Amino acid sequence: DAKTTQPPSMDCAEGRAANLPCNHSTISGNEYVYWYRQIHSQGPQYIIHGLKNNETNEMASLIITEDRKSSTLILPHATLRDTAVYYCIVTDRGSTLGRLYFGRGTQLTVWP
Amino acid sequence: DAMVIQNPRYQVTQFGKPVTLSCSQTLNHNVMYWYQQKSSQAPKLLFHYYDKDFNNEADTPDNFQSRRPNTSFCFLDIRSPGLGDAAMYLCATSTLQRPGPQYFGPGTRLLVL
Repeated sequence: DAKTTQPPSMDCAEGRAANLPCNHSTISGNEYVYWYRQIHSQGPQYIIHGLKNNETNEMASLIITEDRKSSTLILPHATLRDTAVYYCIVTDRGSTLGRLYFGRGTQLTVWP
Repeated sequence: DAMVIQNPRYQVTQFGKPVTLSCSQTLNHNVMYWYQQKSSQAPKLLFHYYDKDFNNEADTPDNFQSRRPNTSFCFLDIRSPGLGDAAMYLCATSTLQRPGPQYFGPGTRLLVL
């Protein structure tokens, strides 16, 4: 079962930062936070993951609170092609072989 | 480019007629997964292989089976498709690296008539 809570939808103007929140209040010490996105009619795409430190890659930044009960995915300069459903998933990479249990995700719509 | 390939992209079958969906990968990953995604829902894990070891999710119907003849290929068999099995079927792969992402194919959309 999904262990995360996300808002069902968000809007963002093109060129602005998109900040997508995720609550995972029952996360355990060995569980990672992963973010994937799914553009309409495509397979999900990996974005970023983290354990407790903030992470940044070419696609996005991940900010994890100190108590690890919530996180925020930041797309610094959203484009129309970032319109997608964004999934926040917590999983224990080791014992579960990285099985992903998707929640409902957040539909991000980027407006021109 | 290394990737996960699913064929066909669209598959039409008849109610009760067995159907097989295929997935191949050029990533040489140990683990392969099958997900089912119904319209307007999130992907749901059906089962996965760690090398040749098969791992079924507890709530995956018996109607769904899988084969992995080698590292590169994995098949999803639906023995007697019902109308409720119409969905997008997604294949994904990953390594055992801790932690590591899953790489998804484009999916096969199954229509049951």
